[in-house]
Amino acid sequence: ETGVTQSPTHLIKTRGQQVTLRCSSQSGHNTVSWYQQALGQGPQFIFQYYREEENGRGNFPPRFSGLQFPNYSSELNVNALELNDSALYLCASSLRTGLDTQYFGPGTRLTVL
Amino acid sequence: SQQGEEDPQALSIQEGENATMNCSYKTSINNLQWYRQNSGRGLVHLILIRSNEREKHSGRLRVTLDTSKKSSSLLITASRAADTASYFCATSLQGGSEKLVFGKGMKLTVNP
Repeated sequence: ETGVTQSPTHLIKTRGQQVTLRCSSQSGHNTVSWYQQALGQGPQFIFQYYREEENGRGNFPPRFSGLQFPNYSSELNVNALELNDSALYLCASSLRTGLDTQYFGPGTRLTVL
Repeated sequence: SQQGEEDPQALSIQEGENATMNCSYKTSINNLQWYRQNSGRGLVHLILIRSNEREKHSGRLRVTLDTSKKSSSLLITASRAADTASYFCATSLQGGSEKLVFGKGMKLTVNP
């Protein structure tokens, strides 16, 4: 167990809808990263938050947005869902950005119909 | 494009045998990490090796890093059926250290 939790476990949405995924980091970890993992692929970096500020972003459009809260929880929001947003979404927490082990949650499986 | 590429893409061995996975990457790194993933679930961290280290051990795992060749290998000794999973290498890049860049992964099957 990594101490990182995510909710919900599974989610089904239709194209055009909006979705919010949640993550609770390990206590004391002030860095959270979000990744998208398509079937059969490795995880792709979406963005990272450090002390509630965005600290780097991957090649994802602005309809992917996030928030980090002081209580070590965070959210990933995706607007205007597209079919190819169907994937496993993983959050990971760490102590120091870029230098330490990232501990991953179990993921949220999003299906867009 | 992927920074890390695992090789082979799939490996099937018998219980008790050793399994070796290789990872190549393209740009300079801060560190390289290996993760395991069971059946599309979350990633489990196995081991981190920093760019100034050449070898690390953790239980049945041995990781090497050759920064001149931009490659790493993960050795699992005395494999068990429970080691059946997908394995990923991930690099933390110098100068862009906020993210991990993953390879496509390698599927290991350990037959009882």
